[in-house]
Parts: sequence; C-alpha cells; structure tokens
Amino acid sequence: EDKVVQSPLSLVVHEGDTVTLNCSYEVTNFRSLLWYKQEKKAPTFLFMLTSSGIEKKSGRLSSILDKKELSSILNITATQTGDSAIYLCGGRGAQKLVFGQGTRLTINP
Amino acid sequence: AAGVIQSPRHLIKEKRETATLKCYPIPRHDTVYWYQQGPGQDPQFLISFYEKMQSDKGSIPDRFSAQQFSDYHSELNMSSLELGDSALYFCASTPPAPADTQYFGPGTRLTVL
Repeated sequence: EDKVVQSPLSLVVHEGDTVTLNCSYEVTNFRSLLWYKQEKKAPTFLFMLTSSGIEKKSGRLSSILDKKELSSILNITATQTGDSAIYLCGGRGAQKLVFGQGTRLTINP
Repeated sequence: AAGVIQSPRHLIKEKRETATLKCYPIPRHDTVYWYQQGPGQDPQFLISFYEKMQSDKGSIPDRFSAQQFSDYHSELNMSSLELGDSALYFCASTPPAPADTQYFGPGTRLTVL
C-alpha cells in the first residue's frame, strides 16, 4: 500500500529560525514528490520534485529529493509568522497523489 | 489565469439527505481528483477520472459516486449523508501527461447536521 510519512508532526519555532521538514514515501510507479502549504483554505502548490539531488528554490523555501532514500526535505530559512501553516508532502504514482499527515509549523514572533 | 472552480463553496445538509458537489477543472486539463479532508486531518484521496473514465479509486464510501462529463467537469454525489461526512471536499485537476502538478480548487465545505 502506498504510504507517505512526514516528520515532525508539529514544530514550534521563533521567527528567524531555520526549519527542516521531512517526508518519506513508498509509492508504486513513483512519478514525483510534491510539497504544499495549507492555511485555512485549499493547499497551495510549493514544489514538484522528480529528479534526485536537484534543489528547487523559491525565496526562503527550498526542497530536494533523494530517490535512493525515498525521502525529501523542505527547508525554510529566516522564518516569518506568515510561514505558519500545515505543510503537506504528497507522493504521486501513475494516477494518484498520496499525502502524508502534514507538519503543523508554528512561527512565534 | 483560470483556476479550478468548485460549487457550492458551502453546503449544509441533514443526515440521510443527498448532496452533489461540482468541479470545473482548468481548461484543457484531462484528469480530475477528489479529496476529502476532515477536521484536523490530511486530505484523503477519494477518486479520480482521466478522460471521463474513472482512473483510480481511494477511500470512497459506497454511498458516494462520481463521474466526469464530456466537458470534463466532474460531480461527486453523496447519498445517505452521515455526520462523519462533514468535511472539506477538494477537487484538483492536472494537465495531460507528462505534467504532474495538481491544481486544487478552493474546496466545498460540507456540514451535515
């Protein structure tokens, strides 16, 4: 059965800290790993990763995929209170996207 | 740019009633996915359609059914509603392969009283 596991489930840090969110996956016919940010609305797409070892960056956010370890990390540097959200990792197979439980990130001022 | 449209945005029903949720994918997207997200939970995949054919099935109850029409919009039909069906229902669409990115709609919040 396809499975995506995220850790930690919850993380509370101070503004300005750097955080690393983890995601491991077991997905049949794996095609890509996707990261989303979810606040009180629909998930917002962050990154799609298909190739191992190639970092994708968007401002203070970056992510990388390790196909050998079947894992990915999402880094956020110089965190801001607006980064507080649930971060979802999804592993896409041939047709289906399987989500992890999410990491609830809270940034305290 | 056009986005995924879902209607209604909010829906309140009573137990044992029926509900129909609609999803209009981004133009030229050929795959539609439905997800259910309960309070404090991650989205659970329900069902997907590719070119109007059901392409995958997740944890969709037998009381639910869905279809994709010739104009690619999709409807999720939910019958004999239960309190536990209260959730946010997301629809997502993807463009033709090899593109992978799923674009989510705003969701329909269903409350069953």
